[in-house]
Amino acid sequence: AQSVTQLGSHVSVSEGALVLLRCNYSSSVPPYLFWYVQYPNQGLQLLLKYTSAATLVKGINGFEAEFKKSETSFHLTKPSAHMSDAAEYFCAVSDRTGRRALTFGSGTRLQVQP
Amino acid sequence: GAGVSQSPSNKVTEKGKDVELRCDPISGHTALYWYRQSLGQGLEFLIYFQGNSAPDKSGLPSDRFSAERTGGSVSTLTIQRTQQEDSAVYLCASSLEARDYNEQFFGPGTRLTVL
Repeated sequence: AQSVTQLGSHVSVSEGALVLLRCNYSSSVPPYLFWYVQYPNQGLQLLLKYTSAATLVKGINGFEAEFKKSETSFHLTKPSAHMSDAAEYFCAVSDRTGRRALTFGSGTRLQVQP
Repeated sequence: GAGVSQSPSNKVTEKGKDVELRCDPISGHTALYWYRQSLGQGLEFLIYFQGNSAPDKSGLPSDRFSAERTGGSVSTLTIQRTQQEDSAVYLCASSLEARDYNEQFFGPGTRLTVL
């Protein structure tokens, strides 16, 4: 069975500071990995995805994530936080065994302080 | 173009009543997914459709939950004899095909409150 762990349910950073949101996965086969963002009262929007090409993946809004197989991690980073980045972020895994469902982490709420 | 739409956006019902939630996927997307988002359980997969068939119903929490999709487009999630624990946001998503690497596009959700 696959699972996703997001360390830190709440992360607070200052505007302009580095954003680091952590995601670790457990999967029996090399997974596909996704980061989604959810703004209040909205659906989820894809930020980026890893599908076994380059291990460093660049996404929208200046976010990127690096797949590290040895650490089973897929942490999300952004060099400089903006106020508009305040939202909830979800890491998800698709385990490539044909189930087609995404398994989501519990989410990390990012707060950006002025 | 239009994204995934869901209706109603909010639904308040009494315990024991039946409810129907609707999802309109992005035009041309053959795969459709239902998830549930609740405080206690996070985001849970319920069911997915490829075309009109549902190969995986393993996420449906009980036999009170059912879903159908007609014409390869609109889907309806039905909850019979609603219980308070059914209160959650029900999210629908669609993708070009049911592939593990395909992006799933999410709708805004239906917030269900069972009194």
